[in-house]
Amino acid sequence: GAVVSQHPSWVICKSGTSVKIECRSLDFQATTMFWYRQFPKQSLMLMATSNEGSKATYEQGVEKDKFLINHASLTLSTLTVTSAHPEDSSFYICSARATLTGELFFGEGSRLTVL
Amino acid sequence: GENVEQHPSTLSVQEGDSAVIKCTYSDSASNYFPWYKQELGKGPQLIIDIRSNVGEKKDQRIAVTLNKTAKHFSLHITETQPEDSAVYFCAASNGNQFYFGTGTSLTVIP
Repeated sequence: GAVVSQHPSWVICKSGTSVKIECRSLDFQATTMFWYRQFPKQSLMLMATSNEGSKATYEQGVEKDKFLINHASLTLSTLTVTSAHPEDSSFYICSARATLTGELFFGEGSRLTVL
Repeated sequence: GENVEQHPSTLSVQEGDSAVIKCTYSDSASNYFPWYKQELGKGPQLIIDIRSNVGEKKDQRIAVTLNKTAKHFSLHITETQPEDSAVYFCAASNGNQFYFGTGTSLTVIP
């Protein structure tokens, strides 16, 4: 099956620093990628929709200056959490929609802990 | 916008029994319905999907049914095994956005 590689799988950082998470579709092209945040025992909360070559579309309540998203190619999107604070600690998951089939595949998730 | 509801939120079955998870959607423009399995600490994994031109699809022990008129679709797992224990999410898509159910925590009791 199609593979989406997300890394790092876990990261610990100090408050005030920035963290970058990468999401790559390994064997298919993805014009659109999505970024989610998931709290324990809860569903996926969509943060933003990322389209290759254009600005991301953020969901209401998500600060675009804090969660920077870049989708520079058909196989790579990045999420940068800027000036991280403890409340940003969470499980972040990306997904990539295959351009040809429309199927949606998820990465393995990144556990962010901000001290 | 689309609204996807998923039931039950938790489900416990004895090993070997069947499990059924149901979802409803509101937008008739939705035409693609994938199901995902999420194990603890991992990302969701696509396990089966169905498109609006099909009423039923089966893959070994897993099957999905779709009733477009009633706007509901269901996941059926037969001969459940302990490794089927996970959280399952349904989703509905109109080709652009994906809307997810709130998840079903399935526990298969050995």
